[in-house]
Amino acid sequence: GAGVSQSPSNKVTEKGKDVELRCDPISGHTALYWYRQSLGQGLEFLIYFQGNSAPDKSGLPSDRFSAERTGGSVSTLTIQRTQQEDSAVYLCASSPVLGGPGNEQFFGPGTRLTVL
Amino acid sequence: GDSVTQMEGPVTLSEEAFLTINCTYTATGYPSLFWYVQYPGEGLQLLLKATKADDKGSNKGFEATYRKETTSFHLEKGSVQVSDSAVYFCALTANAGGTSYGKLTFGQGTILTVHP
Repeated sequence: GAGVSQSPSNKVTEKGKDVELRCDPISGHTALYWYRQSLGQGLEFLIYFQGNSAPDKSGLPSDRFSAERTGGSVSTLTIQRTQQEDSAVYLCASSPVLGGPGNEQFFGPGTRLTVL
Repeated sequence: GDSVTQMEGPVTLSEEAFLTINCTYTATGYPSLFWYVQYPGEGLQLLLKATKADDKGSNKGFEATYRKETTSFHLEKGSVQVSDSAVYFCALTANAGGTSYGKLTFGQGTILTVHP
């Protein structure tokens, strides 16, 4: 079946512009996660959703970052006034349920963001 | 907070050599432990997992044993192949409840290159 999809696959933007990154999780998966992969910071957790709710936003790097999920499905990560340090690969993952021992997360291919 | 430490890479081996990638963790309670792999040009995918002490996860000839006494989850393979060349990430999820329940905490990743 279809896996997690993300769009766009690549995004080049100018410093100060806003960007939106989209994630389509596997159908029926209630939990959705965003991570960021960068050379300096490795793989870091940003935010997760249980349904449409995001109980923990502490992983977001600054208030320029926001995310939403609608209909328990598609999620959008928005970065306002982008900075060069936002350049990274943004990964989305989904899982059937939130947490639980050994619960596997299924990752999308990522969006590579480059801020000039 | 929770953390994962992997041996520094990159690791370069000849085909059929023995592989060990060390991983140790710090976490409260009883986390679930994972190895994820990222092949060139592909997304992150689960390689193996273990959910309690002394459990052994295995897949594709790779093995890792959950050692609570040493807080370790070292990845091993008896005979590597060129096709095993990839980046390997050790990770954990907390099994207790809380606002970050279910998020993956990753190690820094180890690049493995296998030569014919």
